[in-house]
Amino acid sequence: GESVGLHLPTLSVQEGDNSIINCAYSNSASDYFIWYKQESGKGPQFIIDIRSNMDKRQGQRVTVLLNKTVKHLSLQIAATQPGDSAVYFCAEKAGNNDMRFGAGTRLTVKP
Amino acid sequence: NAGVTQTPKFQVLKTGQSMTLQCAQDMNHNSMYWYRQDPGMGLRLIYYSASEGTTDKGEVPNGYNVSRLNKREFSLRLESAAPSQTSVYFCASSEAGGGADTDTQYFGPGTRLTVL
Repeated sequence: GESVGLHLPTLSVQEGDNSIINCAYSNSASDYFIWYKQESGKGPQFIIDIRSNMDKRQGQRVTVLLNKTVKHLSLQIAATQPGDSAVYFCAEKAGNNDMRFGAGTRLTVKP
Repeated sequence: NAGVTQTPKFQVLKTGQSMTLQCAQDMNHNSMYWYRQDPGMGLRLIYYSASEGTTDKGEVPNGYNVSRLNKREFSLRLESAAPSQTSVYFCASSEAGGGADTDTQYFGPGTRLTVL
């Protein structure tokens, strides 16, 4: 069936390095994607979104890349900081269908 | 703006007890959602409401009921709690519907429910 998944369940980076978190999706009809950050004990926090008519979108220190050919989504965090430590997960939506969420990748930033 | 608020933050129930989880949003959003989050799994949609007065089932609706009390409030009720309903419950809202073209969902802080 269709699914939203992540390549790596955990990612550990050094403070100041760039982080790349990946997400694979299998529903070719998905046209809207979101990245969320979830800190321990808190609700998911919107980071950035992208629609399928775009390949790249930039925010503050974050960039989302969408490769529709291989159904791949990535979140790049520049100059990763300790406050970036959290679980990051992607979500996809196809038209009026429900949003579907991946399980998440835990990012740990080492000082 | 408080965004999306949820009460209670924590709850412990015995099997068979009932309870209602409350959710409110102050962003004038059209749509509201209830999700559950279990370890190692993505958020799963329980119920949603695309507008005041309407509700629809999501992926895992069994054992739950909802009420869209008004545009601001969307409650989730467990009539007879079971251990399988131990989870973290999140409410979310979005502008989606009513002609809005954004689907971004904003989440509350969650309710941690344990059913013994």
